[in-house]
Amino acid sequence: AQKVTQAQTEISVVEKEDVTLDCVYETRDTTYYLFWYKQPPSGELVFLIRRNSFDEQNEISGRYSWNFQKSTSSFNFTITASQVVDSAVYFCALTPNYGGSQGNLIFGKGTKLSVKP
Amino acid sequence: DTGVSQDPRHKITKRGQNVTFRCDPISEHNRLYWYRQTLGQGPEFLTYFQNEAQLEKSRLLSDRFSAERPKGSFSTLEIQRTEQGDSAMYLCASSVDGARGTDTQYFGPGTRLTVL
Repeated sequence: AQKVTQAQTEISVVEKEDVTLDCVYETRDTTYYLFWYKQPPSGELVFLIRRNSFDEQNEISGRYSWNFQKSTSSFNFTITASQVVDSAVYFCALTPNYGGSQGNLIFGKGTKLSVKP
Repeated sequence: DTGVSQDPRHKITKRGQNVTFRCDPISEHNRLYWYRQTLGQGPEFLTYFQNEAQLEKSRLLSDRFSAERPKGSFSTLEIQRTEQGDSAMYLCASSVDGARGTDTQYFGPGTRLTVL
């Protein structure tokens, strides 16, 4: 069975604080993709990052960074120097990798991040 | 370069009525997905198309639900005899299959359905 767990339901921080969103996944597939999406109050899911299970390099994009650890089945997301505009629900998702092609996404329940000024 | 669009954005209906939603994918995206999201939950997969072929359906897709993608471009999702439990956000996503591109799913703004 495949499953994504986001144990943090809600997090509240003050602007400029760093915050880490946790994601733990379960899968029996040997190859898979992991994703993070952002869902602002407007409702549209915005793609942030995709990571192939073969690639365990961490990634940094501006204030965002991702830590992929296959040994602990975790794919955590850190926002450095948070801003009010980062307030949203963040979803971690998993899909099997079928020879380079993906299947449907399996989402966690999301973490609601509130950044206060 | 336009993104995924969905119509309508909001729909209020009475129990027992039929509703139909439309999704227009990003042009040249040959895969199209439908998901359902209820309050406080992550999106759940319903079905997906590659071109005009419906390749997979979730157990969530009861007999009252039907989806089509007749010409491999836009798709429709119809719910017959709506029930209050159908109230949710219906999300559409599109992608290019792995052989042709990155295969990342890009989502539309969703259609929020309220069944009274």
